[in-house]
This record gives sequence, structure tokens and C-alpha cells, in this order.
Amino acid sequence: KNEVEQSPQNLTAQEGEFITINCSYSVGISALHWLQQHPGGGIVSLFMLSSGKKKHGRLIATINIQEKHSSLHITASHPRDSAVYICALLSYKLIFGTGTRLQVFP
Amino acid sequence: NAGVMQNPRHLVRRRGQEARLRCSPMKGHSHVYWYRQLPEEGLKFMVYLQKENIIDESGMPKERFSAEFPKEGPSILRIQQVVRGDSAAYFCASSPGQGGTGELFFGEGSRLTVL
Repeated sequence: KNEVEQSPQNLTAQEGEFITINCSYSVGISALHWLQQHPGGGIVSLFMLSSGKKKHGRLIATINIQEKHSSLHITASHPRDSAVYICALLSYKLIFGTGTRLQVFP
Repeated sequence: NAGVMQNPRHLVRRRGQEARLRCSPMKGHSHVYWYRQLPEEGLKFMVYLQKENIIDESGMPKERFSAEFPKEGPSILRIQQVVRGDSAAYFCASSPGQGGTGELFFGEGSRLTVL
């Protein structure tokens, strides 16, 4: 079993739709990061979570430590949200999900 | 992001040459993670280092690759006798250390092209 499972792998949406990306893991962690990577670009950490919920603008991230599950939500999605979103676990090492390629169409 | 500095940003090498990639962590951070992204693939962990120690190198190829994080200066990822399959983006991230808040900052990556 993989240490981290991320879904969906690909996601297309119309502008304005509500989007959810999920991340489930099986190891103990000190923190979980949601990362964003635009094509050919560097990586930006959107959120660092160790418990509960965080909100930044149209982005919301939640984590349930007992269930070992985290979600990233984008409200009122916009074409500029098109990117790859990756969950990364900070455990005894750094473990990456496979990423979700999001495309938002106008 | 601006705090973790990687250089060079782009590196071109011919097969058989050596590649050296540098990562200067955020000020005060003593832990560095290297990971890479092959073309059209996801991110793969390579190695986790503290100053003067390799903590976990389970993701690093056994041959030709080495990493260090000396007491002074940046962390170095060294690839000897590069092959075309080494062409990738190599990223590093830094953190204050284990037992901390989980804070992690990412560099912008070094893109290696092997001709």
C-alpha cells in the first residue's frame, strides 16, 4: 500500500465550480503541506496543516488526524487556479502524493 | 519561497560530466530535503540531511549520486557521470528540524538537462 494516496489524478472544471482534492495517508506525520505547481514553475506551499482547518482567500484546507485524511477545497474556481496540486507529508522524510492536475475553463 | 536559494537554476551537461546542484536553506534551518521531478512525472523524495549528517537517503540512486550538507555552506547534490535519464528538475526544501512545527520552505528548483 502506498504511504499516500491522492485523488483525483486529473480534474477539469468550469469557472466558478467548487473543487475538492483529497489526500489519504498511512504514516505518522508532523505536518501535511498542500503544494501548487504551475507548468514549468516552481513549487509553492499553500498550506501547512497539523490539525483542523485553514483558509486563505478562496482556498480551504482541512485535515483529520485520526482518519489520516486531508482535503483541499477551491471555492469559485478560476482559470488561474489551473495547476498541479500536491499533498506532501512531513514524516521521517518528505513523502509526496502523485498530484492532481486541475484545469479550470472559462 | 525566496528564502531557500537553489543554484544554478538551469544546468546543461554532456553525458559523462558531473553536475553539482546547490541549496542554501532558510536562515536558521538545519534540515534539508532533496527531491526531483522527472519530465511528466511527480515529485520523488531523494535524501534528507541535517548539517553534517545524512538522515535518510532511501530515495537516492545507489550509484553516481551523493549529497552533503556541511557545517558551513550550502547543501550539495552531486551527480557523477550524468546520463540522459538524469535530466530532471531537482528541488530542495528546508525546515527548522524534527519536532518543530512542520514548517517547510521550498526552493524554485534546478533544471538539469543532459545532452
